[in-house]
Amino acid sequence: NAGVMQNPRHLVRRRGQEARLRCSPMKGHSHVYWYRQLPEEGLKFMVYLQKENIIDESGMPKERFSAEFPKEGPSILRIQQVVRGDSAAYFCASSTTGTEGYTFGSGTRLTVV
Amino acid sequence: GNSVTQMEGPVTLSEEAFLTINCTYTATGYPSLFWYVQYPGEGLQLLLKATKADDKGSNKGFEATYRKETTSFHLEKGSVQVSDSAVYFCALEGGGSYIPTFGRGTSLIVHP
Repeated sequence: NAGVMQNPRHLVRRRGQEARLRCSPMKGHSHVYWYRQLPEEGLKFMVYLQKENIIDESGMPKERFSAEFPKEGPSILRIQQVVRGDSAAYFCASSTTGTEGYTFGSGTRLTVV
Repeated sequence: GNSVTQMEGPVTLSEEAFLTINCTYTATGYPSLFWYVQYPGEGLQLLLKATKADDKGSNKGFEATYRKETTSFHLEKGSVQVSDSAVYFCALEGGGSYIPTFGRGTSLIVHP
């Protein structure tokens, strides 16, 4: 029973390029959350999705960031025209209802050069 | 909105010492409370949880009790090991919000 799969593990992009981060939730999990973790800081909520729906994107910058969770395939977090400040670890978590806790992926570490 | 406050780290201990990491929360209603552990280069792993007042979550020698009167969920372990060195996150879910809220994390360093 595979856990939450995120890829790539490491991603290097030049300023102005696009970054595309993928997350496949655990089997049977229909809730997906994306978080950003900066060095020496905690987890910052970005967006909460269910299949084909964005439930809450209040933590996601309005410009350049978007997320989707299509009917088929992984959830995608997309960052357009990346800047150095986007360098961080991005984690995806999935759950069934949330009250049982969340299963996290190993994260994607984005470095913008 | 909901919030979680953890003691600042790093917490540095010798092997076999007693560990306490404080966590307090603000939420409406009755949230579920969690502790997660993050090892270097990895994602967060659920360590233990408690879903109602006075519940005690426990796992791998770690314990935490849901104290509604003090809105706290302090993490304890009687005898830490070097392998416990990691970052520990306190979190809540519910309490008027469906978005899980995490503390800033507390780094634990255990020396042999």
